[in-house]
Amino acid sequence: QQQVKQSPQSLIVQKGGISIINCAYENTAFDYFPWYQQFPGKGPALLIAIRPDVSEKKEGRFTISFNKSAKQFSLHIMDSQPGDSATYFCAASSTVSGNTGKLIFGQGTTLQVKP
Amino acid sequence: DADVTQTPRNRITKTGKRIMLECSQTKGHDRMYWYRQDPGLGLRLIYYSFDVKDINKGEISDGYSVSRQAQAKFSLSLESAIPNQTALYFCATSDVTNSRETQYFGPGTRLLVL
Repeated sequence: QQQVKQSPQSLIVQKGGISIINCAYENTAFDYFPWYQQFPGKGPALLIAIRPDVSEKKEGRFTISFNKSAKQFSLHIMDSQPGDSATYFCAASSTVSGNTGKLIFGQGTTLQVKP
Repeated sequence: DADVTQTPRNRITKTGKRIMLECSQTKGHDRMYWYRQDPGLGLRLIYYSFDVKDINKGEISDGYSVSRQAQAKFSLSLESAIPNQTALYFCATSDVTNSRETQYFGPGTRLLVL
């Protein structure tokens, strides 16, 4: 059972364009939504995260948009650069007391930004 | 030095062989994980451990076993390797702050089973 569904599987964007990756979740207990970035030959690393008490979080060119009613969240990369080429994973967890807080990962999106 | 290390980084083995992948961490975290990554399938959890005496199966534990020798060490074994276990394997540790978990991944082990 896939609790976090991510799309698209792969994405090609021109330099300067906007990259958008979407995730949907099923478990209404999820209340923490991080994104991880993985460069070729490396392990994933935390990029940015959001709690559902806000609808948007921005860090530099990276923005998470969150829609609680639709149970969806997305990563937007503005002014995409070739150095952003990587695999991106969304994730979700429940921080509610009694839960372990273990992250559930989406399937990943491979982004290629063309010069 | 890297906080999460994996050995070996690359391994070629034959069908039926038993192999062990090792993970060590200097972060002092109690939680450790083993994942495999396959194209189009993302990160799939094999086993996880929340402390030295706690071992839990993930979504794809069949054909694998683990050992948590110490807080800093978590090993993954393939009892009898088969070709469909060819994949990129990641170890991760995590800490939980304000109930939010952050995972820290090692560099990965690329395994080829012939």
